[in-house]
Formats: sequence, C-alpha cells, structure tokens
Amino acid sequence: DADVTQTPRNRITKTGKRIMLECSQTKGHDRMYWYRQDPGLGLQLIYYSFDVKDINKGEISDGYSVSRQAQAKFSLSLESAIPNQTALYFCATSDPSREGRETQYFGPGTRLLVL
Amino acid sequence: DQQVKQNSPSLSVQEGRISILNCDYTNSMFDYFLWYKKYPAEGPTFLISISSIKDKNEDGRFTVFLNKSAKHLSLHIVPSQPGDSAVYFCAASEETSGSRLTFGEGTQLTVNP
Repeated sequence: DADVTQTPRNRITKTGKRIMLECSQTKGHDRMYWYRQDPGLGLQLIYYSFDVKDINKGEISDGYSVSRQAQAKFSLSLESAIPNQTALYFCATSDPSREGRETQYFGPGTRLLVL
Repeated sequence: DQQVKQNSPSLSVQEGRISILNCDYTNSMFDYFLWYKKYPAEGPTFLISISSIKDKNEDGRFTVFLNKSAKHLSLHIVPSQPGDSAVYFCAASEETSGSRLTFGEGTQLTVNP
C-alpha cells in the first residue's frame, strides 16, 4: 500500500467552482506539504504544515487554502478555480528527526484541469 | 527569481554510458541538496542527497558531486540503464527554512537501449 495517497487522481472542473484535493499518509510524519508542478517550472510550494496546529504559506499560496484535519490528513482547496490553476498537484511528507534532514516523500499527484 | 536552475531540459545517452545531470544554485545559504527522480504518472521519489560539508556522496550507480565555490552540483549515473529514463529534479534547502525545499525545473533523461 502507498504511504502517501492523493484523491482524486484526476479532476476536471469549471472556472469559479470550489474544489478540494485530499492527501493522506501512513508514514506517521508530522510535516506535510502541497506543491504544484507546471511544465518547465519544477515544483513550487503552495502551503506546508509542521503539525496539526501549524499552517504556513509557501511561494504561491494566493487562490489556495489548506486544512490539516489530523496528523495524517492535509487537504488543499481552490476556493474559486481559475484556468491558470490547471497543473499537477503533489502532496509530500517529511520527518527529519527520523529520516534525515529535508527528505520528503511524495504522493502520486492529482492532475487538475480548470476549464 | 529561480534560485535553483537545471539548464538542460533534456538529456539523451546510450545504455551503459555515463549520464551527467547538472544543477546550479544562487542562494549561498543552501546547505543541503537532493536529487529526486520522477516517472510519468507518479510522484517524485528521493534518490540521493548531499550536505554542504561534503563534496561527494555515492550510492551504487549514483554519485552526487558538490562544488560550493561554483554553486554547482551534478548527478552521475554509471552505467546508465533504460529504467533510469525519467525526469530528474534537483532540490536545495537552508537550515533556517526548516524542511522547505526549492526545486529546479527538472531534466528529462532518456537512456536508449
């Protein structure tokens, strides 16, 4: 079984709709992250959370919000989707105290298309 | 500004030969560097890392070299295998940013049989 899972794997939505992408992990890690990948731009950090009560903005947080419902769950919301949010979204986890510094483990990704 | 750059979007090599993927960075505060490999329809997977106190780290066929004065690192794969065909991302972090990573754009490696 995968340690980091993301749902849905693919999603098509319309401009203005609110959508939620979900991430769950069984690695027992405290730290979780949301990234987006655009062609030619690598991965950009949207939000990250170091524990259940901690939420931090990343490089490109505008238009997004997150919720850390539990240690194992971290969801990303697009309040009002727009076409330039079409991208591949990845969730990741890390626990430097166990795994070594800054080694992050990624989920399989969610491909989002906003029409 | 792009603090981590991978200037080659793609690289093609023959099976059995060496693959060399390059990465440059501008932030002198970066002190930990990682390489991730990504196959289509999968998330990136950790490959190898290096701390700034070292200039080389080796793991099987994979070796990462760090040149701090040039702010440059490279990943060597020897010998290259067709299963190594993937996108390779370079990433960097600094101690004060916790576990936040800054990624390069990625390089598509194709190993031809």
